[in-house]
Amino acid sequence: AQSVTQLGSHVSVSEGALVLLRCNYSSSVPPYLFWYVQYPNQGLQLLLKYTSAATLVKGINGFEAEFKKSETSFHLTKPSAHMSDAAEYFCAVSVFGNEKLTFGTGTRLTIIP
Amino acid sequence: DSGVTQTPKHLITATGQRVTLRCSPRSGDLSVYWYQQSLDQGLQFLIQYYNGEERAKGNILERFSAQQFPDLHSELNLSSLELGDSALYFCASSAQGEKTQYFGPGTRLLVL
Repeated sequence: AQSVTQLGSHVSVSEGALVLLRCNYSSSVPPYLFWYVQYPNQGLQLLLKYTSAATLVKGINGFEAEFKKSETSFHLTKPSAHMSDAAEYFCAVSVFGNEKLTFGTGTRLTIIP
Repeated sequence: DSGVTQTPKHLITATGQRVTLRCSPRSGDLSVYWYQQSLDQGLQFLIQYYNGEERAKGNILERFSAQQFPDLHSELNLSSLELGDSALYFCASSAQGEKTQYFGPGTRLLVL
């Protein structure tokens, strides 16, 4: 079975600083990896995905993530934080033949003005 | 806007009652997934339907059931409700052969 670990349930960064949200996965077969964002009282919005093509994936709102098989990681980064980035971020994994998403516990990102 | 719609947005009911949550997938998507988001359990997969047939089951209680209709909309039925069933219930859909799931806005259920 596959699983996801998100290190840091709360992350605070200053506006304009680098955002780094960590995600490590466990899977016995090649994974598909996703980052979703949830704004207060809203649904989950897809930020970006890795589905076995390029290992560096660019998403919406200036976010990107790099799939590193040797480290079983898929960390999310953004060079310069914006106040509008404040939200909860979820990393998720699925595999071929089992399309259900297994989510991490989420990281709440706070932006300090 | 993901194109997935869910009704109602909010639902308040009492213990022991039964409710039905409705989901309309994106146009053309054959797969529908249901997830539960709660403070103690996080985001958990409940069940998946593909073109009217159940495809996968997750941590879904026996008191819960779902179905997908010929027009591809889906309903999640929750019965004998308990306080612990209070949660946000999400529906997601995906296209045939696609790995990406698109989520609806959710239904917030409060059991009193």
